[in-house]
Amino acid sequence: EAQVTQNPRYLITVTGKKLTVTCSQNMNHEYMSWYRQDPGLGLRQIYYSMNVEVTDKGDVPEGYKVSRKEKRNFPLILESPSPNQTSLYFCASRDRSISGNTIYFGEGSWLTVV
Amino acid sequence: KNQVEQSPQSLIILEGKNCTLQCNYTVSPFSNLRWYKQDTGRGPVSLTIMTFSENTKSNGRYTATLDADTKQSSLHITASQLSDSASYICVVISWKLTDSWGKLQFGAGTQVVVTP
Repeated sequence: EAQVTQNPRYLITVTGKKLTVTCSQNMNHEYMSWYRQDPGLGLRQIYYSMNVEVTDKGDVPEGYKVSRKEKRNFPLILESPSPNQTSLYFCASRDRSISGNTIYFGEGSWLTVV
Repeated sequence: KNQVEQSPQSLIILEGKNCTLQCNYTVSPFSNLRWYKQDTGRGPVSLTIMTFSENTKSNGRYTATLDADTKQSSLHITASQLSDSASYICVVISWKLTDSWGKLQFGAGTQVVVTP
């Protein structure tokens, strides 16, 4: 079954304490991406990766880091979380060609920074 | 300004009734438009994908339309069920010949609540 798996699903942390949200896909997709979703706003792209060791900033990259050491994994790293990073985070993956191909989303990770 | 605008922001409908959601976009160049259903606290799930040449696509009780000339799309839900309660997100894909990856533009979503 095609799957994008995120962990943890729920996390409460304190300001400044480094955390990592993992993302793994089993479809051998080249393209992976992280989004955050806030009330009243559409999903906004944080970072994306077009292949192993190839990453680039999305629309809201400040305060985040990513890495792509393996094709299946794309972790999101918050080096020093702040309360404005409290949000719902989604990882997504898809094939290289956007034309007609499905984009798969993970189940989401609820992050609260206090 | 968001390049994908959805309306209404939310609506409440009685079980069994129909409803229509709207999506207007200014994204260019246009490749395809997708509708996603997102249950509360879950990831978005694809409902329909429409390219420039398609003006209607159905998936069960969901029917999407696209008018690429006016840059408008709608999602019609027929005979609504309680399980249709969710947020419905319009996503427009911008794609250039020189870039096969494409860029996604998300609408803010329409929250639908179906009541018994």
